[in-house]
Amino acid sequence: GAVVSQHPSRVICKSGTSVKIECRSLDFQATTMFWYRQFPKKSLMLMATSNEGSKATYEQGVEKDKFLINHASLTLSTLTVTSAHPEDSSFYICSARGLGGAGEGNEQFFGPGTRLTVL
Amino acid sequence: AQSVAQPEDQVNVAEGNPLTVKCTYSVSGNPYLFWYVQYPNRGLQFLLKYITGDNLVKGSYGFEAEFNKSQTSFHLKKPSALVSDSALYFCAVSEGGSYIPTFGRGTSLIVHP
Repeated sequence: GAVVSQHPSRVICKSGTSVKIECRSLDFQATTMFWYRQFPKKSLMLMATSNEGSKATYEQGVEKDKFLINHASLTLSTLTVTSAHPEDSSFYICSARGLGGAGEGNEQFFGPGTRLTVL
Repeated sequence: AQSVAQPEDQVNVAEGNPLTVKCTYSVSGNPYLFWYVQYPNRGLQFLLKYITGDNLVKGSYGFEAEFNKSQTSFHLKKPSALVSDSALYFCAVSEGGSYIPTFGRGTSLIVHP
């Protein structure tokens, strides 16, 4: 149990275009989803936290108009990178935390990540 | 405020030897502590957690971690390392169940044949 999927796993786009990444909890309801960016030297940077049905809470320094997050249901959150630039190229990882069964101990379950390359 | 430190950027160990990956934390209240593992180009996988109860926590793949309140540590251990254990390990702490966990910077574990 407690599986989180992420789609696409890899995307290459042109500078100036927008890219949408989906994060789904497959077998539990995710009351909270998190979006991270992982840099080449491995550290994880929390970008934002989203709760179902409410606006995402962005970490300091993360542009909310550039990284649009929608958590429309208890099983789906999306991250849209708008007007992508080469410096947005990174590994983006989502995670989900739920109630009952999965996540009852507050652990997060992570998606497999999305490798974004902006040309 | 909560924080976590993984003092080692990399740990090298020979296959069959015991391994330890260090983690120390700082929280105001009771800590929720977690270990995750990440294989190349993959997301993080949950290994184990401590919330309350026995200080020695057993998790996936033969890993265990010991909660030490006096030393504010939660080191990850395994009695006999495998080459397949080579990966990136993250420690995380949250100040209670409702807080967002803070992740350490990660420790690369390299197990040599």
